[in-house]
Amino acid sequence: SQTIHQWPATLVQPVGSPLSLECTVEGTSNPNLYWYRQAAGRGLQLLFYSVGIGQISSEVPQNLSASRPQDRQFILSSKKLLLSDSGFYLCAWSVGTGQYEQYFGPGTRLTVT
Amino acid sequence: AQSVTQPDIHITVSEGASLELRCNYSYGATPYLFWYVQSPGQGLQLLLKYFSGDTLVQGIKGFEAEFKRSQSSFNLRKPSVHWSDAAEYFCAVGARGNTPLVFGKGTRLSVIA
Repeated sequence: SQTIHQWPATLVQPVGSPLSLECTVEGTSNPNLYWYRQAAGRGLQLLFYSVGIGQISSEVPQNLSASRPQDRQFILSSKKLLLSDSGFYLCAWSVGTGQYEQYFGPGTRLTVT
Repeated sequence: AQSVTQPDIHITVSEGASLELRCNYSYGATPYLFWYVQSPGQGLQLLLKYFSGDTLVQGIKGFEAEFKRSQSSFNLRKPSVHWSDAAEYFCAVGARGNTPLVFGKGTRLSVIA
């Protein structure tokens, strides 16, 4: 069966520091991968998605970037965090052909101080 | 482009009472429709999905949803709510291809004794 991992689970970082959040999927090949953010009391905001290695689509201009160095690995990064980057970050995967549901990881709670 | 509206931000129901959460979508073709549930501090879990066929779909945890094309709706129902159903519920719509799902802003469900 497929599983999705995110780490770290929680993170407290000062403003201006770098960020690296990692997401890995097991048990499937060539998944579509997604990064979402939830700010407190708000819905899901799609940040990036990827349909293959090295292919990244950005949904909104951000202080953030994403990379997909391996088929089942998706990384969210920032060179300098802002207070507004605080939130709950969710990674998700889906299989592109014939199945469209997305499966979510457990999330990373990021607090920028 | 597709869109989703969840008109109710917050709903409170008594334990044992019935539940209906509303979802309206906008999409030019037959949509793929989903309901997800999110408990506090956790990722999203897929409750049920509609792709085609029977317009009444059954999901996990005793939930069901009905697709009504004429009303562009996909409302979630449960005949008897349990306290453990307290969570955030998200409706989502998908299109063919590898494009990401579009999520509604969510409805927070509170359950009182």
